[in-house]
Amino acid sequence: AQSVTQLDSHVSVSEGTPVLLRCNYSSSYSPSLFWYVQHPNKGLQLLLKYTSAATLVKGINGFEAEFKKSETSFHLTKPSAHMSDAAEYFCVVSPNTGNQFYFGTGTSLTVIP
Amino acid sequence: DTGVSQDPRHKITKRGQNVTFRCDPISEHNRLYWYRQTLGQGPEFLTYFQNEAQLEKSRLLSDRFSAERPKGSFSTLEIQRTEQGDSAMYLCASSETLDIYEQYFGPGTRLTVT
Repeated sequence: AQSVTQLDSHVSVSEGTPVLLRCNYSSSYSPSLFWYVQHPNKGLQLLLKYTSAATLVKGINGFEAEFKKSETSFHLTKPSAHMSDAAEYFCVVSPNTGNQFYFGTGTSLTVIP
Repeated sequence: DTGVSQDPRHKITKRGQNVTFRCDPISEHNRLYWYRQTLGQGPEFLTYFQNEAQLEKSRLLSDRFSAERPKGSFSTLEIQRTEQGDSAMYLCASSETLDIYEQYFGPGTRLTVT
């Protein structure tokens, strides 16, 4: 069975400070993992993906995530938050066939000026 | 730049009515997915097509739901005898065979059942 747990439903950071959004997964297979971002009234956009290559994955807009199999985690980080990063973020797991995708419940990121 | 489009963007219907949504994927994308997203939750997988073949269906897809992709291009999702619990955002996504993991999402159709 596949599932994703996003450990924080809301995260608030000051502009210019680091961002950490936490995600733990459960998968019966060697999973692929993703982070998507959803800005208000906009479609979901892929930030980055892990598909069994390098465990440290770089994405768009300065975001990174590290796949840690021993901890079953895939946390999303960014060194310095920008106001435009305020959005809803979803961690996603997929079995290696890519036939189904399981989304977490989301983390709402607020950036304080 | 023609991304994934969905029509209509909003639909209000009365309980018991049938509704149909349309999704037009990016033209060269072979895979097409339908999801449902309720308030405060992440998208839930409903079904996916590889060209015209429907290859996976979630248990969430009750008998009242049916999806088609007759020519391997656009897809429709029909809900029969709508219930208030069907109120949600219905999302469509597509991906190409060479990179099945990179899904491109449409803006969604928001359904309200009164």
